[in-house]
Amino acid sequence: QQKVQQSPESLIVPEGGMASLNCTSSDRNVDYFWWYRQHSGKSPKMLMSIFSNGEKEEGRFTVHLNKASLHTSLHIRDSQPSDSALYLCAASASNMGYKLTFGTGTSLLVDP
Amino acid sequence: DPKIIQKPKYLVAVTGSEKILICEQYLGHNAMYWYRQSAKKPLEFMFSYSYQKLMDNQTASSRFQPQSSKKNHLDLQITALKPDDSATYFCASSQEGKNSDYTFGSGTRLLVI
Repeated sequence: QQKVQQSPESLIVPEGGMASLNCTSSDRNVDYFWWYRQHSGKSPKMLMSIFSNGEKEEGRFTVHLNKASLHTSLHIRDSQPSDSALYLCAASASNMGYKLTFGTGTSLLVDP
Repeated sequence: DPKIIQKPKYLVAVTGSEKILICEQYLGHNAMYWYRQSAKKPLEFMFSYSYQKLMDNQTASSRFQPQSSKKNHLDLQITALKPDDSATYFCASSQEGKNSDYTFGSGTRLLVI
């Protein structure tokens, strides 16, 4: 079964700092990655998605993807206390229909 | 206004009882899903429906039965409840088609005592 591994499990960064989160899939059929953010007690909200090799930037958020290694990373620059949340990586595979498989997440705390 | 409505928000049930979790989406999506999230575990896929037809079922137990009375409804019936069923159950939807973004509902937090 497809596995999505995220690291680190938790991360503390100072306000204004850079947060870097990692995600890797063990399924060679994976062809699409998502990053979701989930604040405590709330539902996951989609941040960004990526399927091409390279980088994608939206505001303070940048996502990288290396398809050969099935590794994606999310970088948050100028981190704000409101960025404190659980960050979930999800992947879909061409042979798995519409299903998203999620990792266990990285818990980010931005220290003001 | 919430685009995906889940009811109830909180639910306490007795072991062995049966409950129905309600989900309605107003996004015009034709694919709907149930996911479960419990402490220290990944958000776990349970079911996917497309045009009211079951597409994928990753739930081992037949105690979990999805019910789709309308295209924008996907309820979840859980019978013979166990304490291990305690979790937050999220309904989600997307446009049909691989790689469409999911939108999640606010969840139903179930506690089985």
